[in-house]
Amino acid sequence: AQRVTQPEKLLSVFKGAPVELKCNYSYSGSPELFWYVQYSRQRLQLLLRHISRESIKGFTADLNKGETSFHLKKPFAQEEDSAMYYCALSRLSSNTGKLIFGQGTTLQVKP
Amino acid sequence: GAVVSQHPSWVICKSGTSVKIECRSLDFQATTMFWYRQFPKQSLMLMATSNEGSKATYEQGVEKDKFLINHASLTLSTLTVTSAHPEDSSFYICSARSLAYRGETQYFGPGTRLLVL
Repeated sequence: AQRVTQPEKLLSVFKGAPVELKCNYSYSGSPELFWYVQYSRQRLQLLLRHISRESIKGFTADLNKGETSFHLKKPFAQEEDSAMYYCALSRLSSNTGKLIFGQGTTLQVKP
Repeated sequence: GAVVSQHPSWVICKSGTSVKIECRSLDFQATTMFWYRQFPKQSLMLMATSNEGSKATYEQGVEKDKFLINHASLTLSTLTVTSAHPEDSSFYICSARSLAYRGETQYFGPGTRLLVL
């Protein structure tokens, strides 16, 4: 069965500190991995996807198939990065587009 | 572009009544929409996949007679919570799948908070 695990419920850092939000997955096939972000009182929105290999708002994430991980990183956290972050998995081989979400990690960036 | 709306944003109802929630893709056509349920401080749980013109596919453990889904057009899907009870109180979120914007992705609605008294 597919599963996405985000081991930290809350990650609290000071402004300017590096951030790493952990995400591990279990899936036997070829996954597509995403990071979604939900700012306070806003809807869930896509932050980045591993296929695009983009850097969005200074965040990057690399898919490590050997460790089955897709950790989200940013070298210098900003206060506006405070939000709920969800890692999600979709099956590349499937045409359903279904997403499986992790439990979410709240990032709190303190001034 | 790629905006998804939900209506209503919140609803309070008495136990035993039915509640309909609408999900609309405002500026794109969505052949597939998804319905999620989110409990406080928990993750999104996929309830069902709604395909335009066909029956919805429900996830294991989700009662299809309890949560009726209709996807009547390429821009509208509805979720009806029938004979609602207090345990149905939750935050319901829909998303619409788009193949036209930055590759395939899902765009999420703002959610509907349901409180059953």
